[in-house]
Amino acid sequence: KQEVTQIPAALSVPEGENLVLNCSFTDSAIYNLQWFRQDPGKGLTSLLLIQSSQREQTSGRLNASLDKSSGRSTLYIAASQPGDSATYLCAVQGGSEKLVFGKGMKLTVNP
Amino acid sequence: SQTIHQWPATLVQPVGSPLSLECTVEGTSNPNLYWYRQAAGRGLQLLFYSVGIGQISSEVPQNLSASRPQDRQFILSSKKLLLSDSGFYLCAWRWAGLNTGELFFGEGSRLTVL
Repeated sequence: KQEVTQIPAALSVPEGENLVLNCSFTDSAIYNLQWFRQDPGKGLTSLLLIQSSQREQTSGRLNASLDKSSGRSTLYIAASQPGDSATYLCAVQGGSEKLVFGKGMKLTVNP
Repeated sequence: SQTIHQWPATLVQPVGSPLSLECTVEGTSNPNLYWYRQAAGRGLQLLFYSVGIGQISSEVPQNLSASRPQDRQFILSSKKLLLSDSGFYLCAWRWAGLNTGELFFGEGSRLTVL
């Protein structure tokens, strides 16, 4: 059974720091990994999707990497801003329609 | 561009009452559609998905059901709500035929059962 873990559960940093968010998964047989952002009381916003054949994806200040063999992904946020404050979730898709989600990491960027 | 709408945004219902949550997608045809639930302190759980009109797959046995009466409409229902049905319900879609493609979520419907 696939399990996805995000540690730590919460992180508070000053504005301007470069951040690394971690995601680990137990079964390396995945089709893809997706990073989402969730603001309080809102739905999920897709940030980046990495297919299993890819090593990384970039969008603006965000860069996500995938190492299937070690069961890890990282989301790198450059020059963090207060507007980046949100909960970040990673999810992996294996051999079905279902995405298995981590419980998320709550990020607070202080001005 | 594609958009996804969910309503109602917030719902407070007594135990034993019926439920209907609606989701529609605009700007695409024959999307794959999904209902997820996010309960406090837990990860998101896939409840149902649909790859076409009238085609519903259930991931977990529960007090809920889903229907897809039109191409871009997905409905989550219950005949009698339980306290344990409380949670944040999220509808999502993918491009047709891309079952490993990017998943896009709606704004969610928060259900409180009292």
